Amino acid sequence: KAGVTQTPRYLIKTRGQQVTLSCSPISGHRSVSWYQQTPGQGLQFLFEYFSETQRNKGNFPGRFSGRQFSNSRSEMNVSTLELGDSALYLCASSFSGGAGDTQYFGPGTRLTVL
Amino acid sequence: GIQVEQSPPDLILQEGANSTLRCNFSDSVNNLQWFHQNPWGQLINLFYIPSGTKQNGRLSATTVATERYSLLYISSSQTTDSGVYFCAVPTGNQFYFGTGTSLTVIP
Repeated sequence: KAGVTQTPRYLIKTRGQQVTLSCSPISGHRSVSWYQQTPGQGLQFLFEYFSETQRNKGNFPGRFSGRQFSNSRSEMNVSTLELGDSALYLCASSFSGGAGDTQYFGPGTRLTVL
Repeated sequence: GIQVEQSPPDLILQEGANSTLRCNFSDSVNNLQWFHQNPWGQLINLFYIPSGTKQNGRLSATTVATERYSLLYISSSQTTDSGVYFCAVPTGNQFYFGTGTSLTVIP
């Protein structure tokens, strides 16, 4: 079974631009979660989608948004980029997103904002 | 949210040495996962271990849910074990991560 894939792997943007990141979950998984990892804040939860519905959202500004498609693929968007948005963005998939599920992570997208 | 603490924050070992990493969590959980983050940033699943003990080669993990901690044991460490080790626990469909233990294994 193919693992979680994320595209692109690396991205360089400038302040004020917007960016869209993509995540394809493991086949059969319907839950996709997104996390931001920075040296200062560690791994922080952004949001989780299941069957095209956002079920949970972390404490991030409205510039961070996401969506999930009918094939479970998910995208996240960051508008009006700030320097502090530079981070590794990780997505994880699981079968149902329940607390008892095993989460599998993709390789991440490393975003640099100049 | 749930608080997850890991210790030690940094660990330097000689190749061949053994180590124990600890994860404390503030509330009862029905899931706990250990991950290894490689130098490229990928989080690799090590264990899904809500309770009890599991072993996989040179690695083993024990979770004592009633006392709210988990331990990851690495035996006969190798340079390829270097990286950051995270434990993560869920609340609902959100995982809370510890701050990690950065392990460096020197030859």
